[in-house]
Amino acid sequence: GESVGLHLPTLSVQEGDNSIINCAYSNSASDYFIWYKQESGKGPQFIIDIRSNMDKRQGQRVTVLLNKTVKHLSLQIAATQPGDSAVYFCAERPGGTSYGKLTFGQGTILTVHP
Amino acid sequence: ETGVTQSPTHLIKTRGQQVTLRCSSQSGHNTVSWYQQALGQGPQFIFQYYREEENGRGNFPPRFSGLQFPNYSSELNVNALELDDSALYLCASSRLAAYEQYFGPGTRLTVT
Repeated sequence: GESVGLHLPTLSVQEGDNSIINCAYSNSASDYFIWYKQESGKGPQFIIDIRSNMDKRQGQRVTVLLNKTVKHLSLQIAATQPGDSAVYFCAERPGGTSYGKLTFGQGTILTVHP
Repeated sequence: ETGVTQSPTHLIKTRGQQVTLRCSSQSGHNTVSWYQQALGQGPQFIFQYYREEENGRGNFPPRFSGLQFPNYSSELNVNALELDDSALYLCASSRLAAYEQYFGPGTRLTVT
């Protein structure tokens, strides 16, 4: 069945460090992956996405890596700032017409210390 | 912030009651998806609406139902509320052909 899981439920870093959040997925038919950031009391905020025909995508201070061989996804945040403190979720969507059905992992709590 | 809005922000209901939650999608988006997020968990897909019809459903019982209106706004209705329905209910909008879903702030439902 489908499942998306995270290796590290919590991550604590110092301001200025680089952060890496990992995610494992099991559905080889998934063709699209997204990282969301959720701050307390708010809805998930889109960070970056990647399609299954890519293995790397870069945004502003963030990079997503996709390793389809081992079904692994990671989010790298450069020069982490206190404002990056939040829960980070990876989500996958199965290929085909299920555009809306995102399957989310449990989340990783990132804490950035000044 | 996204252009997705939800109302109300918070709601307290009693077991057995019915509730209606509302969502306005971002401009240019014609698809609305609803998710339930229990405390400490990731969001769980409830269903999606496109062109006023249900376009996919997750593992939720029929007492969870929805509507989409011609202006693409949407409602989530839950009948016969149970204690386990207490959660944050999230609405996300998208263009069907696009992959990105943008979430609203959610409605916190507490069932006592």
